[in-house]
Amino acid sequence: DGGITQSPKYLFRKEGQNVTLSCEQNLNHDAMYWYRQDPGQGLRLIYYSQIVNDFQKGDIAEGYSVSREKKESFPLTVTSAQKNPTAFYLCASSILYGAGGLNQPQHFGDGTRLSIL
Amino acid sequence: QKEVEQNSGPLSVPEGAIASLNCTYSDRGSQSFFWYRQYSGKSPELIMSIYSNGDKEDGRFTAQLNKASQYVSLLIRDSQPSDSATYLCAVNNYGQNFVFGPGTRLSVLP
Repeated sequence: DGGITQSPKYLFRKEGQNVTLSCEQNLNHDAMYWYRQDPGQGLRLIYYSQIVNDFQKGDIAEGYSVSREKKESFPLTVTSAQKNPTAFYLCASSILYGAGGLNQPQHFGDGTRLSIL
Repeated sequence: QKEVEQNSGPLSVPEGAIASLNCTYSDRGSQSFFWYRQYSGKSPELIMSIYSNGDKEDGRFTAQLNKASQYVSLLIRDSQPSDSATYLCAVNNYGQNFVFGPGTRLSVLP
């Protein structure tokens, strides 16, 4: 089955530690995205990538880093500089453009819930 | 700052009624519109995409788009308790990123 796999499902971070969240997709989608969702809040864009070896900052990139070495993979590192990392992290992917050049919907993984120890 | 607004709710409707969820957006150039459903503790799942003015129906769901009024809505007919979730509106302009609304929490009462 095609889909987006995020791991781990739960992650705990110690103070001063960097942690990496995995996101893999087998949908052959060009674009991949990372969002952060705080309780009762909407989705906020952290980083996105439309092509291998290229990525762009979203609205809340500070304290996070990403890489896109393969089309299928877009890992997110939460660095020690991110002082309030507790949140639900969602990875998404999409076809960039469909018929008529219109943007296609994003499809989401199951998410990673990150907490501070 | 491009914005998408939704009433946070909770919107409570009795089982079998029509639930009406509304979304307004600020970017007049927006071309693609999406409704997602998110159950508590889960990730969003796509319900509907709509690109043209008017109505689009899929089963019990109808999306309505009015670009002149910068308004998109989702109607859920014959609401079921299993429809209780948060509904996210997402809007997109050509080549730009999605902007998500904060979501409306729907509660369908048995």
